[in-house]
Amino acid sequence: QKEVEQDPGPLSVPEGAIVSLNCTYSNSAFQYFMWYRQYSRKGPELLMYTYSSGNKEDGRFTAQVDKSSKYISLFIRDSQPSDSATYLCAMSGGGTASKLTFGTGTRLQVTL
Amino acid sequence: GAGVSQSPRYKVAKRGQDVALRCDPISGHVSLFWYQQALGQGPEFLTYFQNEAQLDKSGLPSDRFFAERPEGSVSTLKIQRTQQEDSAVYLCASSLGFMASYEQYFGPGTRLTVT
Repeated sequence: QKEVEQDPGPLSVPEGAIVSLNCTYSNSAFQYFMWYRQYSRKGPELLMYTYSSGNKEDGRFTAQVDKSSKYISLFIRDSQPSDSATYLCAMSGGGTASKLTFGTGTRLQVTL
Repeated sequence: GAGVSQSPRYKVAKRGQDVALRCDPISGHVSLFWYQQALGQGPEFLTYFQNEAQLDKSGLPSDRFFAERPEGSVSTLKIQRTQQEDSAVYLCASSLGFMASYEQYFGPGTRLTVT
Protein backbone atom coordinates (compact mmCIF):
# COMPACT_ATOMS: atom_id res chain seq x y z
CA GLN A 1 0.00 0.00 0.00
CA LYS A 2 1.28 3.46 -0.90
CA GLU A 3 1.99 6.05 1.79
CA VAL A 4 -0.26 8.54 -0.01
CA GLU A 5 -3.45 7.50 -1.80
CA GLN A 6 -5.18 9.69 -4.36
CA ASP A 7 -7.99 8.87 -6.78
CA PRO A 8 -6.52 9.24 -10.29
CA GLY A 9 -9.83 10.26 -11.86
CA PRO A 10 -10.36 11.53 -14.45
CA LEU A 11 -12.83 13.98 -12.99
CA SER A 12 -14.98 15.97 -15.39
CA VAL A 13 -17.03 18.96 -14.19
CA PRO A 14 -18.87 21.83 -15.91
CA GLU A 15 -17.50 25.35 -15.74
CA GLY A 16 -18.49 27.10 -12.52
CA ALA A 17 -18.73 23.91 -10.47
CA ILE A 18 -17.08 23.38 -7.10
CA VAL A 19 -14.38 20.75 -7.31
CA SER A 20 -13.32 18.60 -4.38
CA LEU A 21 -10.03 16.70 -4.52
CA ASN A 22 -8.61 14.66 -1.69
CA CYS A 23 -5.83 12.40 -0.48
CA THR A 24 -5.37 10.03 2.40
CA TYR A 25 -2.05 9.08 3.93
CA SER A 26 -0.65 6.59 6.38
CA ASN A 27 2.54 8.20 7.73
CA SER A 28 1.76 10.18 10.87
CA ALA A 29 5.17 11.92 10.61
CA PHE A 30 3.95 14.08 7.73
CA GLN A 31 3.64 17.71 8.83
CA TYR A 32 3.71 19.77 5.62
CA PHE A 33 0.95 19.30 3.07
CA MET A 34 0.95 20.70 -0.43
CA TRP A 35 -1.14 20.74 -3.56
CA TYR A 36 0.60 21.04 -6.90
CA ARG A 37 -0.94 21.63 -10.31
CA GLN A 38 0.69 20.02 -13.33
CA TYR A 39 -0.22 20.87 -16.90
CA SER A 40 0.61 18.41 -19.65
CA ARG A 41 4.36 18.24 -20.36
CA LYS A 42 5.14 20.79 -17.64
CA GLY A 43 6.63 20.54 -14.17
CA PRO A 44 4.43 20.71 -11.06
CA GLU A 45 3.70 24.20 -9.70
CA LEU A 46 2.77 24.84 -6.10
CA LEU A 47 -0.82 25.92 -5.45
CA MET A 48 -1.30 25.59 -1.71
CA TYR A 49 0.98 24.89 1.24
CA THR A 50 -0.28 24.04 4.74
CA TYR A 51 1.55 23.22 7.91
CA SER A 52 -0.18 20.74 10.24
CA SER A 53 -3.98 20.71 10.59
CA GLY A 54 -6.34 23.47 9.57
CA ASN A 55 -7.71 25.38 6.62
CA LYS A 56 -6.06 27.78 4.22
CA GLU A 57 -7.75 29.88 1.57
CA ASP A 58 -6.24 31.62 -1.44
CA GLY A 59 -8.65 33.10 -3.95
CA ARG A 60 -10.76 30.30 -5.42
CA PHE A 61 -8.70 27.62 -3.68
CA THR A 62 -9.15 26.21 -0.17
CA ALA A 63 -6.93 23.54 1.36
CA GLN A 64 -7.95 21.52 4.40
CA VAL A 65 -5.85 19.20 6.50
CA ASP A 66 -7.24 16.80 9.10
CA LYS A 67 -4.28 15.07 10.71
CA SER A 68 -6.46 13.03 13.05
CA SER A 69 -8.09 11.36 10.03
CA LYS A 70 -4.94 11.54 7.87
CA TYR A 71 -7.01 13.23 5.17
CA ILE A 72 -6.37 16.35 3.09
CA SER A 73 -8.61 18.15 0.62
CA LEU A 74 -8.43 20.85 -2.01
CA PHE A 75 -11.55 22.74 -3.04
CA ILE A 76 -11.75 24.82 -6.19
CA ARG A 77 -14.66 27.26 -6.44
CA ASP A 78 -16.07 28.63 -9.68
CA SER A 79 -13.94 26.22 -11.71
CA GLN A 80 -12.63 27.45 -15.07
CA PRO A 81 -11.48 25.58 -18.19
CA SER A 82 -7.96 26.84 -17.39
CA ASP A 83 -8.12 24.74 -14.20
CA SER A 84 -8.01 21.60 -16.36
CA ALA A 85 -4.80 19.87 -15.25
CA THR A 86 -3.52 17.11 -12.99
CA TYR A 87 -3.60 17.94 -9.29
CA LEU A 88 -0.99 16.29 -7.11
CA CYS A 89 -1.05 16.18 -3.34
CA ALA A 90 2.37 16.05 -1.68
CA MET A 91 3.61 15.75 1.87
CA SER A 92 6.82 15.97 3.81
CA GLY A 93 7.90 15.11 7.28
CA GLY A 94 9.34 18.40 8.43
CA GLY A 95 12.80 19.06 9.78
CA THR A 96 15.64 19.38 7.35
CA ALA A 97 15.85 18.35 3.78
CA SER A 98 12.43 16.91 3.46
CA LYS A 99 11.75 15.03 0.29
CA LEU A 100 8.19 15.17 -0.97
CA THR A 101 5.96 12.10 -1.11
CA PHE A 102 3.33 12.53 -3.81
CA GLY A 103 -0.04 11.02 -4.55
CA THR A 104 -0.79 9.59 -7.98
CA GLY A 105 -2.45 12.81 -9.13
CA THR A 106 -6.07 13.45 -10.14
CA ARG A 107 -6.80 14.52 -13.71
CA LEU A 108 -9.39 17.29 -13.80
CA GLN A 109 -11.28 18.41 -16.88
CA VAL A 110 -13.46 21.52 -16.67
CA THR A 111 -15.83 21.70 -19.61
CA LEU A 112 -17.60 24.73 -21.11
CA GLY B 1 13.44 35.74 -12.70
CA ALA B 2 14.64 32.51 -14.26
CA GLY B 3 13.20 29.30 -12.93
CA VAL B 4 14.65 25.81 -12.80
CA SER B 5 15.80 24.68 -16.22
CA GLN B 6 16.50 21.16 -17.44
CA SER B 7 18.16 19.81 -20.54
CA PRO B 8 17.58 18.07 -22.76
CA ARG B 9 13.80 18.30 -22.65
CA TYR B 10 13.49 15.02 -24.56
CA LYS B 11 15.95 12.16 -24.83
CA VAL B 12 15.62 8.92 -26.74
CA ALA B 13 18.18 6.26 -25.86
CA LYS B 14 18.68 2.73 -27.07
CA ARG B 15 18.70 0.10 -24.38
CA GLY B 16 22.19 -0.18 -22.94
CA GLN B 17 23.23 3.40 -23.69
CA ASP B 18 24.35 5.83 -20.99
CA VAL B 19 22.51 9.16 -20.60
CA ALA B 20 23.20 12.37 -18.69
CA LEU B 21 20.43 14.75 -17.65
CA ARG B 22 21.21 18.28 -16.54
CA CYS B 23 19.51 20.54 -14.02
CA ASP B 24 20.16 24.26 -13.56
CA PRO B 25 18.51 25.30 -10.27
CA ILE B 26 17.40 28.79 -9.36
CA SER B 27 20.47 30.85 -8.51
CA GLY B 28 21.27 30.78 -4.80
CA HIS B 29 19.10 27.77 -4.02
CA VAL B 30 20.81 25.52 -1.52
CA SER B 31 18.71 22.39 -1.90
CA LEU B 32 18.28 20.34 -5.05
CA PHE B 33 16.07 17.29 -5.52
CA TRP B 34 15.64 14.77 -8.32
CA TYR B 35 12.33 12.96 -8.84
CA GLN B 36 11.21 10.32 -11.34
CA GLN B 37 7.66 10.48 -12.72
CA ALA B 38 6.36 7.43 -14.55
CA LEU B 39 3.41 7.81 -16.92
CA GLY B 40 0.18 8.38 -15.00
CA GLN B 41 1.95 8.46 -11.63
CA GLY B 42 3.09 11.11 -9.19
CA PRO B 43 6.76 12.03 -8.92
CA GLU B 44 8.91 9.75 -6.78
CA PHE B 45 11.96 10.95 -4.89
CA LEU B 46 15.37 9.87 -6.17
CA THR B 47 18.04 11.92 -4.42
CA TYR B 48 18.77 15.16 -2.55
CA PHE B 49 21.69 17.59 -2.43
CA GLN B 50 22.40 20.31 0.09
CA ASN B 51 24.92 22.47 -1.74
CA GLU B 52 27.44 19.96 -3.14
CA ALA B 53 26.77 17.26 -0.54
CA GLN B 54 24.51 14.39 -1.53
CA LEU B 55 22.66 13.80 1.74
CA ASP B 56 20.03 11.32 0.63
CA LYS B 57 20.16 8.88 -2.26
CA SER B 58 17.69 6.40 -0.85
CA GLY B 59 15.36 6.69 -3.85
CA LEU B 60 17.86 5.77 -6.55
CA PRO B 61 16.45 2.53 -8.00
CA SER B 62 19.76 0.84 -8.78
CA ASP B 63 23.50 1.40 -8.90
CA ARG B 64 23.08 2.34 -12.56
CA PHE B 65 21.80 5.71 -11.35
CA PHE B 66 24.30 8.31 -10.24
CA ALA B 67 23.90 12.01 -9.44
CA GLU B 68 26.35 14.77 -8.74
CA ARG B 69 26.43 18.49 -7.97
CA PRO B 70 30.14 19.21 -7.74
CA GLU B 71 30.05 23.00 -7.26
CA GLY B 72 26.76 23.25 -5.44
CA SER B 73 24.81 24.64 -8.38
CA VAL B 74 24.27 22.62 -11.59
CA SER B 75 23.45 18.96 -11.10
CA THR B 76 23.68 15.99 -13.42
CA LEU B 77 21.75 12.74 -13.17
CA LYS B 78 23.48 9.93 -15.02
CA ILE B 79 21.90 6.62 -15.93
CA GLN B 80 24.20 3.88 -17.12
CA ARG B 81 23.15 0.96 -19.34
CA THR B 82 19.60 2.25 -19.69
CA GLN B 83 16.71 -0.20 -19.49
CA GLN B 84 13.15 0.15 -20.77
CA GLU B 85 11.87 0.55 -17.20
CA ASP B 86 13.95 3.74 -16.94
CA SER B 87 11.55 5.45 -19.37
CA ALA B 88 9.98 8.29 -17.40
CA VAL B 89 10.06 12.05 -16.88
CA TYR B 90 12.94 13.11 -14.65
CA LEU B 91 12.12 16.23 -12.65
CA CYS B 92 14.53 18.48 -10.83
CA ALA B 93 13.45 20.81 -8.03
CA SER B 94 15.32 23.39 -5.99
CA SER B 95 14.57 25.29 -2.81
CA LEU B 96 16.13 28.32 -1.16
CA GLY B 97 16.81 26.68 2.19
CA PHE B 98 17.23 23.25 3.65
CA MET B 99 14.23 23.14 5.92
CA ALA B 100 11.01 21.41 4.90
CA SER B 101 9.16 24.72 5.13
CA TYR B 102 10.86 26.03 2.00
CA GLU B 103 8.93 25.64 -1.25
CA GLN B 104 10.36 23.37 -3.92
CA TYR B 105 10.33 24.84 -7.42
CA PHE B 106 10.20 22.32 -10.23
CA GLY B 107 11.74 22.37 -13.66
CA PRO B 108 9.87 21.22 -16.79
CA GLY B 109 11.48 17.77 -16.68
CA THR B 110 13.39 15.62 -19.12
CA ARG B 111 11.30 12.96 -20.84
CA LEU B 112 13.48 9.87 -21.32
CA THR B 113 12.36 7.15 -23.68
CA VAL B 114 14.41 3.95 -23.83
CA THR B 115 13.82 1.87 -26.95
